[in-house]
Amino acid sequence: GAGVSQSPSNKVTEKGKDVELRCDPISGHTALYWYRQSLGQGLEFLIYFQGNSAPDKSGLPSDRFSAERTGGSVSTLTIQRTQQEDSAVYLCASRTGTSGNGATDTQYFGPGTRLTVL
Amino acid sequence: LAKTTQPISMDSYEGQEVNITCSHNNIATNDYITWYQQFPSQGPRFIIQGYKTKVTNEVASLFIPADRKSSTLSLPRVSLSDTAVYYCLVSGGYQKVTFGIGTKLQVIP
Repeated sequence: GAGVSQSPSNKVTEKGKDVELRCDPISGHTALYWYRQSLGQGLEFLIYFQGNSAPDKSGLPSDRFSAERTGGSVSTLTIQRTQQEDSAVYLCASRTGTSGNGATDTQYFGPGTRLTVL
Repeated sequence: LAKTTQPISMDSYEGQEVNITCSHNNIATNDYITWYQQFPSQGPRFIIQGYKTKVTNEVASLFIPADRKSSTLSLPRVSLSDTAVYYCLVSGGYQKVTFGIGTKLQVIP
């Protein structure tokens, strides 16, 4: 079956512009995560959705970052007034979200969107 | 959230067994230990998961001592294609999941 998909795969933008990154999770997965990975670094948690709700937004680095999820499926991460330090790979992951023990519910990652802010 | 500590990098020759140890001293009762593998320009992918003792699958083995304060990922007879970053995660549910910097494994011919 189809895995997690993200678009665009690459995005080059100018400083100060807004960008939207899209994530299509695996069908039926209710839990969705956004991460950011800078070159040579680990994954930085940004936000987590359960259905359309975001119980944990603690990782969003500033108010320029926002995310939404509609219909319990597609999610969009928006970065306003992009800065050069926003350059990174943005990864999305989904989980079934319905396991009684969430600890054993594997995350499935998309290929990521590489964002470059000039 | 339980914090994990693992070596930043490791080198190994092809055909050798590689063991990567992760420390998680404040692991909670409900937490499971999960390892992911990440190749360049790809998202991480699941390798193995366990709660205690030993777990083995077609890719790796995971050893977890009785106190669960550490875990060891064992990759048998590594090949060049095993060169990747390996992440150890400790998680008890659907809350925020913290990935560390991972261990960069370089397999040498």
